[in-house]
Amino acid sequence: GQQVMQIPQYQHVQEGEDFTTYCNSSTTLSNIQWYKQRPGGHPVFLIQLVKSGEVKKQKRLTFQFGEAKKNSSLHITATQTTDVGTYFCAGKHNQGGKLIFGQGTELSVKP
Amino acid sequence: GAVVSQHPSRVICKSGTSVKIECRSLDFQATTMFWYRQFPKKSLMLMATSNEGSKATYEQGVEKDKFLINHASLTLSTLTVTSAHPEDSSFYICSARPRQGASYNEQFFGPGTRLTVL
Repeated sequence: GQQVMQIPQYQHVQEGEDFTTYCNSSTTLSNIQWYKQRPGGHPVFLIQLVKSGEVKKQKRLTFQFGEAKKNSSLHITATQTTDVGTYFCAGKHNQGGKLIFGQGTELSVKP
Repeated sequence: GAVVSQHPSRVICKSGTSVKIECRSLDFQATTMFWYRQFPKKSLMLMATSNEGSKATYEQGVEKDKFLINHASLTLSTLTVTSAHPEDSSFYICSARPRQGASYNEQFFGPGTRLTVL
């Protein structure tokens, strides 16, 4: 079936270091969304990317959508302890279709 | 805006009983609501898509008679876990997609319901 693969599964960084998580789909996505889930919490929408090659920034977070619309990345510059949580990508293979979640990347930040 | 509530937040029940979980969009209308299940340190697994006024669409491997979904209005969907067993223990999360507007493609998640079946 349609899957969205996400790596790495876990990432432990020292505060101040950068962090990147990657998502990949075998088929073209109509859009990709990113969510953050804090420990014990629920997923919170961060952003949606729609266009090929799109890059969006939210303060220290940079989101990219690949030219072929099959992969995406989230990069956090200079991590802080407040960045701790699991980051999920979620893609749609057609407009209005169901959202397929990646496995998530759990980020821990050591102060 | 775009708040989704879920009730109850936690429930502990005996094996064999049924549990109903409510998902409400508080400040918007949602033609579509989604029910997910999440195991510890795992991703969200879509169980079913609930459309207002019609039957839910279940994902492969999800028993429709086990997980009853009712989407009675544009702001309320319910998931009933019938004859619950310990293996049904999990974190159940709903999400709602606004009927219209700029946020149409977004999904807003409820806070989740942690079900423990003894």
